[in-house]
Amino acid sequence: KAGVTQTPRYLIKTRGQQVTLSCSPISGHRSVSWYQQTPGQGLQFLFEYFSETQRNKGNFPGRFSGRQFSNSRSEMNVSTLELGDSALYLCASSKGEHGETQYFGPGTRLLVL
Amino acid sequence: KNEVEQSPQNLTAQEGEFITINCSYSVGISALHWLQQHPGGGIVSLFMLSSGKKKHGRLIATINIQEKHSSLHITASHPRDSAVYICAVLNYGGSQGNLIFGKGTKLSVKP
Repeated sequence: KAGVTQTPRYLIKTRGQQVTLSCSPISGHRSVSWYQQTPGQGLQFLFEYFSETQRNKGNFPGRFSGRQFSNSRSEMNVSTLELGDSALYLCASSKGEHGETQYFGPGTRLLVL
Repeated sequence: KNEVEQSPQNLTAQEGEFITINCSYSVGISALHWLQQHPGGGIVSLFMLSSGKKKHGRLIATINIQEKHSSLHITASHPRDSAVYICAVLNYGGSQGNLIFGKGTKLSVKP
């Protein structure tokens, strides 16, 4: 079974631009969660999508948004990029039952200049 | 104060040593995860616990719900165990993805 894939793997943007990251979950998984990892803050939860609906959202500004498609693939978008948005963005998928194991993708490393 | 605290932050061991990483949390939880992150970023889920103890190969994870504490043990450590180990908790009643993470323990095992 193919694992979670994320594209692109690396990205360089400048302040003020916007970016879209993509995550393809494991086949059969309906839940996709997004996380941001920075050296200072560590891993932080961004949001979770289940069956095309946002099920929960972390404490991030409205510049961070996401969506999920009918095939469970998910995208996250960051508008008006700031230097502090430089981070590793990870997505994880699961079947969606509470507390079960999530399977992480390799991440997208975003650098904002 | 962070809701999930790990100790130690950094750990250096000699190959073959027994290793313990600790995780304490202050919120009510329905599950606790131990994750492993290698250089380059990829994260692997090692264990998901809600009570008791789990073992997989040389790795053992325990949780004490009353004391709000979990430990990850590595027996007969090997240089390939070098990684960052992250404890994450799922808040009781929280949605599936809403994990709260510790800052991680960076383990280096020397040959």
